[in-house]
Amino acid sequence: EAQVTQNPRYLITVTGKKLTVTCSQNMNHEYMSWYRQDPGLGLRQIYYSMNVEVTDKGDVPEGYKVSRKEKRNFPLILESPSPNQTSLYFCASSLLRGKDGYTFGSGTRLTVV
Amino acid sequence: AQTVTQSQPEMSVQEAETVTLSCTYDTSESDYYLFWYKQPPSRQMILVIRQEAYKQQNATENRFSVNFQKAAKSFSLKISDSQLGDAAMYFCAYRSAQASNYQLIWGAGTKLIIKP
Repeated sequence: EAQVTQNPRYLITVTGKKLTVTCSQNMNHEYMSWYRQDPGLGLRQIYYSMNVEVTDKGDVPEGYKVSRKEKRNFPLILESPSPNQTSLYFCASSLLRGKDGYTFGSGTRLTVV
Repeated sequence: AQTVTQSQPEMSVQEAETVTLSCTYDTSESDYYLFWYKQPPSRQMILVIRQEAYKQQNATENRFSVNFQKAAKSFSLKISDSQLGDAAMYFCAYRSAQASNYQLIWGAGTKLIIKP
């Protein structure tokens, strides 16, 4: 089944404790992206990647890191999480120039206390 | 910069009736794609329907259809024979065919309530 697998679905952590949210897709998509969704603010792009070893900042990159060492994986790293990073996070992928929209992971609800 | 506006924060419809969700967008480009996504309480983002700007024919997927008015920059979603499972947040989104980022530009969403 073609899908984007995102883990974990729920995560509660403490301020400053490094964490990684994993994202993997099995559709050979070049493009992968991370979004955060907050009430009243909609979905905002954090980072994106056009292909292996090619990543760039989205609209709200502060406090986040990503890497794209393999085409299928695009982890999101929070080196020192803070409470303002409490949010719902989505990983998504697509063909680079395709007319298709994104395929989304199931989301990660992160709470930083 | 492109923007997407959904002017209806919430809509309600009786089960089995038809409802239309509004979306307008602002762009200076001629080649782009438009999408409607559904987000049920499970929070999964599900692609409902897509439209390519160069196609004049409105897209249709079963009970879902769009009214794409390119000159007016309008992209409304019509849901026919509404079902309880249609209750969700609906997001309109825009994607440039040329931009280097290829990111989706999102509207704020419309909450659809289905009355039994």
